[in-house]
Amino acid sequence: GENVEQHPSTLSVQEGDSAVIKCTYSDSASNYFPWYKQELGKRPQLIIDIRSNVGEKKDQRIAVTLNKTAKHFSLHITETQPEDSAVYFCAASNNRGATNKLIFGTGTLLAVQP
Amino acid sequence: EPEVTQTPSHQVTQMGQEVILRCVPISNHLYFYWYRQILGQKVEFLVSFYNNEISEKSEIFDDQFSVERPDGSNFTLKIRSTKLEDSAMYFCATGQGTYNEQFFGPGTRLTVL
Repeated sequence: GENVEQHPSTLSVQEGDSAVIKCTYSDSASNYFPWYKQELGKRPQLIIDIRSNVGEKKDQRIAVTLNKTAKHFSLHITETQPEDSAVYFCAASNNRGATNKLIFGTGTLLAVQP
Repeated sequence: EPEVTQTPSHQVTQMGQEVILRCVPISNHLYFYWYRQILGQKVEFLVSFYNNEISEKSEIFDDQFSVERPDGSNFTLKIRSTKLEDSAMYFCATGQGTYNEQFFGPGTRLTVL
């Protein structure tokens, strides 16, 4: 079935360093890959997304890369700040049928040490 | 900026009782979803809803679950006879179309005793 794997489960970095979180997906029909940031007790917030027709997208300090051949996509955060500390979830979906359900990864707890 | 809203924020219920969770989507959105997140785990898809009918449901969404949009605004999730394992955070999400991003509500924490 559809599955998204995410690594690492926890990541601790020093303020100012870069953080990279990696995901792989199983459904080759997946064509939309969002990343959500979830602070403790809060809703998942969309921070960046990428569609299958591009290989990379950047928004200030965050970027996402996609390798469709390998079915692999990654989140890159540069110049990390303490407020980047949160759980990050990757997700994948396709437009098969009248749905766009998101299949989530297991999450990465990012801790940015000041 | 418009946001998805959900009520109640926290619901405590006894096992076997019925609960209704409510969501108000962003006004021009046409696609509606329910997800759940058991404490410390990933977000799991329950059901998608479009054009007043279910478009897809997961294995979790069994006969005890139902959804409807009774008045054209609220989108509800009903659990007919709650079980202990239904305890989780339930998120409503809405989107403009199948190619567009989904925006999540703040969630309802359901505790079944």
